[in-house]
Amino acid sequence: NAGVTQTPKFQVLKTGQSMTLQCAQDMNHNSMYWYRQDPGMGLRLIYYSASEGTTDKGEVPNGYNVSRLNKREFSLRLESAAPSQTSVYFCASSQTLLMNTEAFFGQGTRLTVV
Amino acid sequence: SQQGEEDPQALSIQEGENATMNCSYKTSINNLQWYRQNSGRGLVHLILIRSNEREKHSGRLRVTLDTSKKSSSLLITASRAADTASYFCAAGTSGSRLTFGEGTQLTVNP
Repeated sequence: NAGVTQTPKFQVLKTGQSMTLQCAQDMNHNSMYWYRQDPGMGLRLIYYSASEGTTDKGEVPNGYNVSRLNKREFSLRLESAAPSQTSVYFCASSQTLLMNTEAFFGQGTRLTVV
Repeated sequence: SQQGEEDPQALSIQEGENATMNCSYKTSINNLQWYRQNSGRGLVHLILIRSNEREKHSGRLRVTLDTSKKSSSLLITASRAADTASYFCAAGTSGSRLTFGEGTQLTVNP
């Protein structure tokens, strides 16, 4: 049982390049999340998907797009990377917060934009 | 702005002492959760308290929730060096939204 798997673990991009961060969970969870974590800022919600087929903006959605490909997978795309997007990105999933359940996190993707 | 805010930002104590961290949030919640993060790792869930609960225990952890003040506290009793980590509160709100505070860095000195 792998839980939440993120790929890649590390990535360096040049300004203006695009990339997609992949996230998959094998717990049959309904809800999935993307966060970024910067020093001293805690975790900020970028986008989330309450259930398959739905996505919603979080606190800092600008510069990002997401796709809930199916129940297992939730990807985050940077269309034109900027240095301000240098961060550690975490994906998470939960059964559903309506059922008061915890979230499980991946190990993170460390992204550097130069 | 973030839903939760932790206080203090950093806390340094001796092994065996108790550690108390506080969290405030801004909107109505379904639940309030606490997570732990070791340096360079993902977050691990510690405890969840529902909006209709006032106190919850799990091992050495005690969480309280005051919805009238929109605040929660996490108490770790008899701390150990292995408790050294960052601790985050997270507000679970309607529509499965889950937002985090900025965290408290706890250092437990042996």
